[in-house]
Amino acid sequence: QKEVEQDPGPLSVPEGAIVSLNCTYSNSAFQYFMWYRQYSRKGPELLMYTYSSGNKEDGRFTAQVDKSSKYISLFIRDSQPSDSATYLCAMYSSASKIIFGSGTRLSIRP
Amino acid sequence: DAGITQSPRHKVTETGTPVTLRCHQTENHRYMYWYRQDPGHGLRLIHYSYGVKDTDKGEVSDGYSVSRSKTEDFLLTLESATSSQTSVYFCAISDNNSPLHFGNGTRLTVT
Repeated sequence: QKEVEQDPGPLSVPEGAIVSLNCTYSNSAFQYFMWYRQYSRKGPELLMYTYSSGNKEDGRFTAQVDKSSKYISLFIRDSQPSDSATYLCAMYSSASKIIFGSGTRLSIRP
Repeated sequence: DAGITQSPRHKVTETGTPVTLRCHQTENHRYMYWYRQDPGHGLRLIHYSYGVKDTDKGEVSDGYSVSRSKTEDFLLTLESATSSQTSVYFCAISDNNSPLHFGNGTRLTVT
């Protein structure tokens, strides 16, 4: 079993919808959680970074961490075609042990 | 791109030849990483560095070596390239308890 599980999708939603992306993990030592967006032929771009349970909001993006359930989510409000990309979750307990999910492909239909 | 430059951006090479990829940062971050990204496998850590001349192996280090002689440069070498090393290679940097920032990758094809 992988330490981090992420549904690969693809996920297709209409423009303006709320998108929910999720990852589950098994290692309770993970303390820091990240979400990245990756466009085709580009490097992953950091969207959200958090190190505690609860919610963190940045514009249309909200990251949610539930350490008791070992579950993290990324919500995108008012989704736009430009949000179409692959979204990667990542987490770590130390700089030498950073684990990435396999990524979810998201498509926003105009 | 958080001050990270990878070179070359694209490379085609033949099986058995040595290849060196370069990562250069202008952020003075302590940690530098090399990942490969393949369909169905996501991002996998090859090697990382936690300081000048300080490096360690990741989960897919066989066939790769690294060197870091200066804070700003981290080199990845394939001593004798194989077709299984065809991939997209990403360099990333971070500092203590900070998230990773990635370069735009090097697309390597081994024929």
